[in-house]
Amino acid sequence: QEQLVQSGSELKKPGASVKISCKASGYIFTTRAMIWVRQAPGQGLEWMGWINTNSGKPTYAQGFTGRFVFSLDTSVSTAFLEINSLQTEDTAIYYCARAAAPKTNWFDPWGQGTLVTVSS
Amino acid sequence: FMLTQPHSVSESPGKTVSISCTRSSGFIDSKYVQWYQQRPGSAPTIVIYDDIQRPSGVPARFSGSIDSSSNSASLTISGLKTEDEAVYYCQSYDATTLVFGGGTKLTVL
Repeated sequence: QEQLVQSGSELKKPGASVKISCKASGYIFTTRAMIWVRQAPGQGLEWMGWINTNSGKPTYAQGFTGRFVFSLDTSVSTAFLEINSLQTEDTAIYYCARAAAPKTNWFDPWGQGTLVTVSS
Repeated sequence: FMLTQPHSVSESPGKTVSISCTRSSGFIDSKYVQWYQQRPGSAPTIVIYDDIQRPSGVPARFSGSIDSSSNSASLTISGLKTEDEAVYYCQSYDATTLVFGGGTKLTVL
């Protein structure tokens, strides 16, 4: 079945970098856009942006430019989120989610989430 | 734009509850609204897409609607079950931005 499997939890120090993976299976990876969503502890969902899995072009939401990088490795059907210069405020669960169909704005399935903890 | 939801709602098993989602600018019927359910410790899952559509596997107890007069969307859950207890998020978009509502915690007591 179609699914997204994310990499495991990360514990990082402030100033470090982290790279989260989101491996897709059960469909043709390049036919569906991927979004990234942040959920801070006890908070709601926040859209970080999306990446066109066909062209590789990323689009970042306001507040997620500069330190955040979306990338792909289409050979292994995997999307990546890299966060540089980590700050304690980056502590959150990060989700990838796939556009359910081409040119739609609803998302299914979602990855299981990756917890990133930033602490000295 | 923003999507505003009530922080929490509660209702008894077997009853019906509606959760609203009000769009701050732009018309609610100009872009589709989606609804996601997030149970504790789990990723969100879609329950309604394109305003009123139910994905396969989602019970018919879940329905969506749009009210242009109040510029809002609603998720209605009938015949409430304890398993419906979760946080529900609405989501919509415009030309450049995708937005989630703040989430509504549904308690079934």
